[in-house]
Amino acid sequence: GQNIDQPTEMTATEGAIVQINCTYQTSGFNGLFWYQQHAGEAPTFLSYNVLDGLEEKGRFSSFLSRSKGYSYLLLKELQMKDSASYLCAVVQGGKLIFGQGTELSVKP
Amino acid sequence: KAGVTQTPRYLIKTRGQQVTLSCSPISGHRSVSWYQQTPGQGLQFLFEYFSETQRNKGNFPGRFSGRQFSNSRSEMNVSTLELGDSALYLCASSLSFEGRAYEQYFGPGTRLTVT
Repeated sequence: GQNIDQPTEMTATEGAIVQINCTYQTSGFNGLFWYQQHAGEAPTFLSYNVLDGLEEKGRFSSFLSRSKGYSYLLLKELQMKDSASYLCAVVQGGKLIFGQGTELSVKP
Repeated sequence: KAGVTQTPRYLIKTRGQQVTLSCSPISGHRSVSWYQQTPGQGLQFLFEYFSETQRNKGNFPGRFSGRQFSNSRSEMNVSTLELGDSALYLCASSLSFEGRAYEQYFGPGTRLTVT
């Protein structure tokens, strides 16, 4: 089976750094995706990790530890437009299984 | 390159009716997945099609079905609608279903309301 946990909500200040954690328990693992979803819009791709370590892409970075079943998304230099839901998704058994998402609010 | 398109965008149906939703993937994408998104349950996997074959299915009742055509376009059908079927139905396409190629490109969704 699969179980993916993320915090439900987070609040951060514009210009700051925020880390969104994701833990998973799966019977198989073939990669982990992070998606961003603004209210009323479709999810859009942010990052993909399949090997342990950090993947950096501009202001966004994603980390994976397969032995710990743990990933995080790091957002630097937060902007108001980063207010959105962030979804962690694990590829398991040919399916993409999503966590409930973390609603991030960026305050001025 | 055109994105994933879904029709219709909004739909209102009555309990007991059936509904068919359509999805056109990005050109060249052969994998099409369907998801149901609700505030309480989040984004839940319905099924995935690759080259006209259903490869995987989520934990939904048999009232939910789908198919894929030779041009990779896909439809999903929900029969005997229930109030709990009210949700945003998202279609996503990808190049393949393995590794990085499983990156999902989502359509805008169909908002289904069952009254």
